[in-house]
Amino acid sequence: GNSVTQMEGPVTLSEEAFLTINCTYTATGYPSLFWYVQYPGEGLQLLLKATKADDKGSNKGFEATYRKETTSFHLEKGSVQVSDSAVYFCALEIKAAGNKLTFGGGTRVLVKP
Amino acid sequence: EAGVVQSPRYKIIEKKQPVAFWCNPISGHNTLYWYRQNLGQGPELLIRYENEEAVDDSQLPKDRFSAERLKGVDSTLKIQPAELGDSAVYLCASSLERVQYFGPGTRLTVT
Repeated sequence: GNSVTQMEGPVTLSEEAFLTINCTYTATGYPSLFWYVQYPGEGLQLLLKATKADDKGSNKGFEATYRKETTSFHLEKGSVQVSDSAVYFCALEIKAAGNKLTFGGGTRVLVKP
Repeated sequence: EAGVVQSPRYKIIEKKQPVAFWCNPISGHNTLYWYRQNLGQGPELLIRYENEEAVDDSQLPKDRFSAERLKGVDSTLKIQPAELGDSAVYLCASSLERVQYFGPGTRLTVT
């Protein structure tokens, strides 16, 4: 079956630190990969996506590269801000499975000033 | 453009009581999803609609859960009777071109 594994949190960082959140997946088929973010009290928002191998998704200073050889989609940001404090979810989608999103467990990130 | 609207935002009920959640997707989005998100976990799909047709309800506990999307626009998810284990956030999403947009969710607490 399809599954997503993310590093467990919470991840606590100081402002301007480098952030990496690891995400690996298993999939029957060729998935599209996503990172969603959930800010406190809000719904899930799409942060970035990649639809094929070696694609790099980027948004708001965050980046993730679709690595088919390592089945990974790690999220990175070079200099975090307090406003980046949120829960981050990695997800995959198989078109043949009706675009069903399979999520990882989420990683809580806390950025301190 | 308005996002996905859900109501209520919070609901507290006693076990064995019924509860219903409402979702209005983004205008023009034919695909609608209901997810359940347990505390500290990622969302899990309950049901997916294409217009008014439920095309994937394999994860919906049909003994107590039901859903409808009669006119292919807004949707209602119902639980009857609710159990303690149903406490979770219920998320609605709609999609266009394979990107899903989520509502703020309804946080259900069953006591």
